[in-house]
Amino acid sequence: AQSVTQLGSHVSVSEGALVLLRCNYSSSVPPYLFWYVQYPNQGLQLLLKYTSAATLVKGINGFEAEFKKSETSFHLTKPSAHMSDAAEYFCAVSLYNQGGKLIFGQGTELSVKP
Amino acid sequence: KAGVTQTPRYLIKTRGQQVTLSCSPISGHRSVSWYQQTPGQGLQFLFEYFSETQRNKGNFPGRFSGRQFSNSRSEMNVSTLELGDSALYLCASSKLQGASVNTEAFFGQGTRLTVV
Repeated sequence: AQSVTQLGSHVSVSEGALVLLRCNYSSSVPPYLFWYVQYPNQGLQLLLKYTSAATLVKGINGFEAEFKKSETSFHLTKPSAHMSDAAEYFCAVSLYNQGGKLIFGQGTELSVKP
Repeated sequence: KAGVTQTPRYLIKTRGQQVTLSCSPISGHRSVSWYQQTPGQGLQFLFEYFSETQRNKGNFPGRFSGRQFSNSRSEMNVSTLELGDSALYLCASSKLQGASVNTEAFFGQGTRLTVV
């Protein structure tokens, strides 16, 4: 069964430092991969998605992610962290013949220190 | 364009009661999915409705049910509430148009259910 693993439930960076949040999916390539962000007591906001058109995907707020089939990874990066980036981030995949269902990783909470 | 609207935002219920949550998807979106989010289990898929039919179901007991109306609005119901049902319930709206894979899902703000 398809699964998504996010390495590190908590990541802390200094303001201005590189942000790297890790996501790995299980062996079969999913049709779509997503990164969502969630602020406290809010819903999920789509940051970016991979649709096989390009392996490097740019999203909102300066985030980007690179799809690496050989590593079954879809890590999220941002060159310079901002205080407003502090939130929880979720990696997710959609599946063939599963309609609207998404499978999520456990989430990574990002803290940004001044 | 209005986003996904979930009502109410907050609910407090007593064990044994039942509760109904509502979700209005983005106009034109026919797929509505529901998720339960808890600190221990993360985001878990409850079920998906498409054109008034339940198309997918997660691994939850029968106390969790839902339905979708002809205007694509959806409700989920939890009967005989347990303390462990306390969670943030999120609704996601997708266009799909009959497609078998989700290319993008938009989420509502969620309903925070507390069972006491």
